[in-house]
Amino acid sequence: AQSVTQLDSQVPVFEEAPVELRCNYSSSVSVYLFWYVQYPNQGLQLLLKYLSGSTLVKGINGFEAEFNKSQTSFHLRKPSVHISDTAEYFCAVSVTSYDKVIFGPGTSLSVIP
Amino acid sequence: DAGVTQSPTHLIKTRGQQVTLRCSPISGHKSVSWYQQVLGQGPQFIFQYYEKEERGRGNFPDRFSARQFPNYSSELNVNALLLGDSALYLCASSLALYPGGTEAFFGQGTRLTVV
Repeated sequence: AQSVTQLDSQVPVFEEAPVELRCNYSSSVSVYLFWYVQYPNQGLQLLLKYLSGSTLVKGINGFEAEFNKSQTSFHLRKPSVHISDTAEYFCAVSVTSYDKVIFGPGTSLSVIP
Repeated sequence: DAGVTQSPTHLIKTRGQQVTLRCSPISGHKSVSWYQQVLGQGPQFIFQYYEKEERGRGNFPDRFSARQFPNYSSELNVNALLLGDSALYLCASSLALYPGGTEAFFGQGTRLTVV
């Protein structure tokens, strides 16, 4: 069965420092990949998605992610974080458009002033 | 434009009771999906409906059911509530015929507490 691993449950980082949130998935075939953000007491909002094409994907709020098929990874990066980036981040995958989306357990990003 | 709206925002029920949660998708979206998010975990897929037809189902017991109406709004029903059903229930809408492969737009969720 498809699975998503987010290796870090909590990531504290100082304001204006770079951050990387790690995501690995279990499928060996082509997949669709997503990163969503959830602010406190809110629903999820799409940051970026990889469907095909360029392996470097740029999203909203200065985030980007790189798809690495050989390592089955889709790590999220931001060169300089702000206090407002404090939130829960979820990596998600679906094997085909027919399949359900599987979410990882989430990484809590805390930006320290 | 209004986003995905869910009602109620909070709900407290007793074990064994039944609950109905409601969702209105973004205008023009014909697909509605339901997710359960237990505290500290990622969302888990329950159902997806497109134009009133079920297009996907997750690994949830038959106590969970859903339907979609002609105006594309949707209801999620849970019967015989258990303590373990306490969670944030999220509704998402999209343009997609099937659940995967496309962006979903989420509502703020309904927080269900079973006591």
